[in-house]
Amino acid sequence: GAGVSQSPRYKVAKRGQDVALRCDPISGHVSLFWYQQALGQGPEFLTYFQNEAQLDKSGLPSDRFFAERPEGSVSTLKIQRTQQEDSAVYLCASSTPSLGTGHYEQYFGPGTRLTVT
Amino acid sequence: GQQLNQSPQSMFIQEGEDVSMNCTSSSIFNTWLWYKQDPGEGPVLLIALYKAGELTSNGRLTAQFGITRKDSFLNISASIPSDVGIYFCAGRSARAAGNKLTFGGGTRVLVKP
Repeated sequence: GAGVSQSPRYKVAKRGQDVALRCDPISGHVSLFWYQQALGQGPEFLTYFQNEAQLDKSGLPSDRFFAERPEGSVSTLKIQRTQQEDSAVYLCASSTPSLGTGHYEQYFGPGTRLTVT
Repeated sequence: GQQLNQSPQSMFIQEGEDVSMNCTSSSIFNTWLWYKQDPGEGPVLLIALYKAGELTSNGRLTAQFGITRKDSFLNISASIPSDVGIYFCAGRSARAAGNKLTFGGGTRVLVKP
């Protein structure tokens, strides 16, 4: 498709379960970002990839959170031993430099809503 | 936590009205962006601003990059029902690795009953 896609769109997990959230970026986009959006809040940065390299993971809230992008396209965000405070929408965004301006802006997917019960 | 303060947190609009919202930061950004998010969807980019003082329009939307580089505002002229949604400002710092964005808390635009 033309945009960023994410799956599943909704996930309910029991506390303590592991979950894996998938992001398919726009084809050819070099950069990929994960954000966490709590209810009623703006998105907060989790981690960033340039191709397959994870260059910034400063926003990951704990070592239960792990992200990978092994071939530089699809990315997976994994949360181990989920807790109730992990309930949020997880947004993926991708970007690549604009040929005309050199600027590169992030285009977001629809998100995965995770509910931990 | 978030470093950008958006105001107002919510507002009611009547069709045809002009509305405005703003965003302030304690630190300098070299890019300001405005996004709109509808329920169940991801944020959609509306306007991007790259230079202090820049004023940019996109249809009925106009945004400005403050000259101090610590603020931005968004105006919507002649509002229509589909303007309802949540508007987020986002900033990017020159020191931000990989162009990560810092978002405000959002302004919720609702229709006057």
